[in-house]
Amino acid sequence: QVQLVESGGGLVKPGGSLRLSCAASGFTFSDYYMSWIRQAPGKGLEWVSYISSSGSTIYYADSVKGRFTISRDNAKNSLYLQMNSLRAEDTAVYYCARAQYSSGNWYFDLWGRGTLVTVSS
Amino acid sequence: EIVMTQSPATLSVSPGERATLSCRASQSVSSNLAWYQQKPGQAPRLLIYGASTRATGIPARFSGSGSGTEFTLTISSLQSEDFAVYYCQQYNNWPSFGPGTKVDIK
Repeated sequence: QVQLVESGGGLVKPGGSLRLSCAASGFTFSDYYMSWIRQAPGKGLEWVSYISSSGSTIYYADSVKGRFTISRDNAKNSLYLQMNSLRAEDTAVYYCARAQYSSGNWYFDLWGRGTLVTVSS
Repeated sequence: EIVMTQSPATLSVSPGERATLSCRASQSVSSNLAWYQQKPGQAPRLLIYGASTRATGIPARFSGSGSGTEFTLTISSLQSEDFAVYYCQQYNNWPSFGPGTKVDIK
């Protein structure tokens, strides 16, 4: 079954850290670009980060640059997001998504169910 | 940054009726636009990419049109499973999403 399953969310204090994981199955993970996208409670979607299939190319949204690190382990079919210096505004459901590259950028053709990150004292 | 807007915020439609959702970009995105459906507690699902190409497994009642800055998602005959929130996303530049249109039952 083609799917993405996120884990690692939870409650963390401002300034704290958290590592999210995404397990891929049912497709050749190493062939695809991947992304993290988040959705604050009751809000819309915000792209967070992108990593190429080999991991050699990485981009971040300005809102997380310098605090978040995306990585992947193709041998384990897994995607990660290390989140440091967390702020209240990082509170959101974080989705792992498979990215399709087109015209210099990408859209997202497979999404996980998401994992909730709550940043609060 | 390309800002996406969607209208209306909420669309009330009876089952079997046609629904027309609009999406506008702050600058031209060519045909680099996707539409997603999200139901409560679920992940978004890709419906349309390239402004008008249906994703794999998407029923023919969903159609997309437009280019440049104005786009439309049409659901020809609303089924019960179509009541959801719909987002547009441009990928002509760094990806950005619209705020969504909620389609609910009239």
